[in-house]
Amino acid sequence: QVQLQQWGAGLLKPSETLSLTCAVYGGSFSGYYWSWIRQPPGKGLEWIGEINHSGSTNYNPSLKSRVTISVDTSKNQFSLKLSSVTAADTAVYYCARDVWFGEPPRWRYYGMDVWGQGTTVTVSS
Amino acid sequence: EIVLTQSPATLSLSPGERATLSCRASQSVSSYLAWYQQKPGQAPRLLIYDASNRATGIPARFSGSGSGTDFTLTISSLEPEDFAVYYCQQRSNWPPSSFGQGTKLEIK
Repeated sequence: QVQLQQWGAGLLKPSETLSLTCAVYGGSFSGYYWSWIRQPPGKGLEWIGEINHSGSTNYNPSLKSRVTISVDTSKNQFSLKLSSVTAADTAVYYCARDVWFGEPPRWRYYGMDVWGQGTTVTVSS
Repeated sequence: EIVLTQSPATLSLSPGERATLSCRASQSVSSYLAWYQQKPGQAPRLLIYDASNRATGIPARFSGSGSGTDFTLTISSLEPEDFAVYYCQQRSNWPPSSFGQGTKLEIK
């Protein structure tokens, strides 16, 4: 059974860089997109971006200038960096496996079926 | 960017009742829509994919319908463990993918 385990610094000062890593255990790393999602306290979910095993990325335009998602296939891990953080970046950050299936041109979307446990990141001076 | 609007914001029902949650997209997302359930302190759980298909292990009381811009999640008979927040998510015309703001299903 696939499991995602994530870790990273939980307390940052404004202008610092958020850095989180998510490790994939018990399943294939290739053939999927791997996503980061965040949830500010008491609010809804926001998609940050994604990467596949070959390093192809997509980012939320609202965060694109500050976000970098990278992959280390030798360790079955992917990472998130968010630069110049402010209090508005305070949130629980999740990693997730994002699944598509089918064949072109009729790809179908399965959804984010496996999630990490979440990491609470607080930005405060 | 496609905006998903969920209604109602809060739904108060009793166990055994039927729940109907709505998700409306600002433009067509075809059937590229998923539903998630989130309980306090937990990560979201995938319920429905492709707008109307139950994900693996999801009970039959959960069903999804719709295509284009209007979607519905129905829980046929509420169990105590179903009281949670529900989100819809679209994967059409991305990036970005986007989520609705959520519907809180609370016990009446």
